[in-house]
Amino acid sequence: DAMVIQNPRYQVTQFGKPVTLSCSQTLNHNVMYWYQQKSSQAPKLLFHYYDKDFNNEADTPDNFQSRRPNTSFCFLDIRSPGLGDAAMYLCATSRVSSYNEQFFGPGTRLTVL
Amino acid sequence: AQTVTQSQPEMSVQEAETVTLSCTYDTSESDYYLFWYKQPPSRQMILVIRQEAYKQQNATENRFSVNFQKAAKSFSLKISDSQLGDAAMYFCAYQDSNYQLIWGAGTKLIIKP
Repeated sequence: DAMVIQNPRYQVTQFGKPVTLSCSQTLNHNVMYWYQQKSSQAPKLLFHYYDKDFNNEADTPDNFQSRRPNTSFCFLDIRSPGLGDAAMYLCATSRVSSYNEQFFGPGTRLTVL
Repeated sequence: AQTVTQSQPEMSVQEAETVTLSCTYDTSESDYYLFWYKQPPSRQMILVIRQEAYKQQNATENRFSVNFQKAAKSFSLKISDSQLGDAAMYFCAYQDSNYQLIWGAGTKLIIKP
């Protein structure tokens, strides 16, 4: 089945220790998104790629970076995680047409000790 | 700027009964899309239903239907014959002109057996 895969599902890191979350998709969608979601809140868009074009949300901290080496893969790098970065990180994809139905991965829950 | 408001942080319904989740939004656009997404506990976000603003007919997907009132900027979700598997966070979302989703805060739906 075509899908969005996120690895790992759970990630524990130490305060200040860099961490990388990965996302892959078999849907061949041209847009990929990274969201941060804190408990019982709406997802907050961090950035997205339209093909290779990177789009950063204005309020995304510099601590967060992303890479998209090819259509299928996208990475979220957190350079120096703080306690406030503990959250669920959701990857989503879409093929932009007239409407933007986004397909989500299961998420990576990040814990910062 | 567009906003999406879900005024019910939590709703509960008896199994097999009907429940309506509220959503209002604010926009100056005349053509847009609205979505309801479902996020079950520890499971991924999935699209429940989509409504195109230029279509007057309310969208329906099996037990899920919407009441779209364009003039009132209201987009409620009705779930008929509620099932235990319907328990989840439900998010209302508006697609802006940049194809980005503006999310409501979410409504937690509890199904009582």
